[in-house]
Amino acid sequence: GAGVSQSPRYKVAKRGQDVALRCDPISGHVSLFWYQQALGQGPEFLTYFQNEAQLDKSGLPSDRFFAERPEGSVSTLKIQRTQQEDSAVYLCASSTGIGGKETQYFGPGTRLLVL
Amino acid sequence: AQKVTQAQTEISVVEKEDVTLDCVYETRDTTYYLFWYKQPPSGELVFLIRRNSFDEQNEISGRYSWNFQKSTSSFNFTITASQVVDSAVYFCALSDLNQAGTALIFGKGTTLSVSS
Repeated sequence: GAGVSQSPRYKVAKRGQDVALRCDPISGHVSLFWYQQALGQGPEFLTYFQNEAQLDKSGLPSDRFFAERPEGSVSTLKIQRTQQEDSAVYLCASSTGIGGKETQYFGPGTRLLVL
Repeated sequence: AQKVTQAQTEISVVEKEDVTLDCVYETRDTTYYLFWYKQPPSGELVFLIRRNSFDEQNEISGRYSWNFQKSTSSFNFTITASQVVDSAVYFCALSDLNQAGTALIFGKGTTLSVSS
């Protein structure tokens, strides 16, 4: 079946622009995670959704970052007034259930470059 | 605090060599889960294996094998007879709470380069 998809794959933004990154999880997956991966580093947690509810946003680096999943499937990560330090790969992952034992399946990521 | 350490930043081998990627973790929980993911140049993280803290049996899948040792908090990954297609960044990850929204804690990754 189809895996996790993300769009766009690449995004170049001028500093100060707003961007929106989309994630289509595997159909039927309850849990959805967003991670940020800086160059040469491992992914770091940003936020978590269980269905449409955003249960954890402790990893969002500033109030310029906002995420939603209004119908419990597709999710959008929005970054307002982008800064150069926002340049990274943004990864989306989904899993069938909840809890740490669940395997997370990742999308290909969106590579964001802020100039 | 939970932490995953992958001390090897880069490893280079020649095809058909065996290679072991090290992973050491820290957690205070008695129940936790360990994962390995592969990230090829395309960027997508590919799931390889999941183990729970109660299962210390080593596992083999084709050319891949994993050695979980609770006593040393290690979960090492061995590729036997490496191939060029194995070239990628490999991440070890920890998930230490079985509750909703438990995020993965990743190491910094090991870049494996296999030359022909």
